[in-house]
Amino acid sequence: AQKITQTQPGMFVQEKEAVTLDCTYDTSDQSYGLFWYKQPSSGEMIFLIYQGSYDEQNATEGRYSLNFQKARKSANLVISASQLGDSAMYFCAMREGIEDSNYQLIWGAGTKLIIKP
Amino acid sequence: EPEVTQTPSHQVTQMGQEVILRCVPISNHLYFYWYRQILGQKVEFLVSFYNNEISEKSEIFDDQFSVERPDGSNFTLKIRSTKLEDSAMYFCASSYYVGTGPTDTQYFGPGTRLTVL
Repeated sequence: AQKITQTQPGMFVQEKEAVTLDCTYDTSDQSYGLFWYKQPSSGEMIFLIYQGSYDEQNATEGRYSLNFQKARKSANLVISASQLGDSAMYFCAMREGIEDSNYQLIWGAGTKLIIKP
Repeated sequence: EPEVTQTPSHQVTQMGQEVILRCVPISNHLYFYWYRQILGQKVEFLVSFYNNEISEKSEIFDDQFSVERPDGSNFTLKIRSTKLEDSAMYFCASSYYVGTGPTDTQYFGPGTRLTVL
């Protein structure tokens, strides 16, 4: 079974609109962390936002927010007022088993977001 | 703002040759990682490193691979006897801590694109 599922391989969004990128995860651990990264066409991997499993509030970082629904095991990324520079691949990742010293990030397949002018 | 750096940005090698990929993690970070991303595929964890030893490794990280922190700043990935299927983008990452908060965040370098001919 997939640990991280991103169901949208690609999305087209009009500039200045808000966009939601879906991510669902599968873990039996109580303590885990969820991350979103952006990968532009140049290839680097840019950290966007973090949500801990015990965090009661949704994480926000500027135009990025994370819609964390723990019972549904979803951690959707919301980008408000999209810009042309937001065009990129977006990856959802999880670090589970934190209390067992599990270090690796497990990655989804990514969503390619294209912002239309 | 501190960042992870990687050299070279692109490495072309012949099958069977050894390559060393170099990384300089963020200076006060304690945990170091290597990931790879084969073109068009998911990001895959290779290894994590803490306190001068491997803390976790994946099935991919077999005897062909080794890591080293030769001095206080560099972190290297050595691939012995490269194969065609080793062609990928290799990312180095570092984090300050491993735990249940934002300090758990892994920051990535720009990657080294390895091409094995």
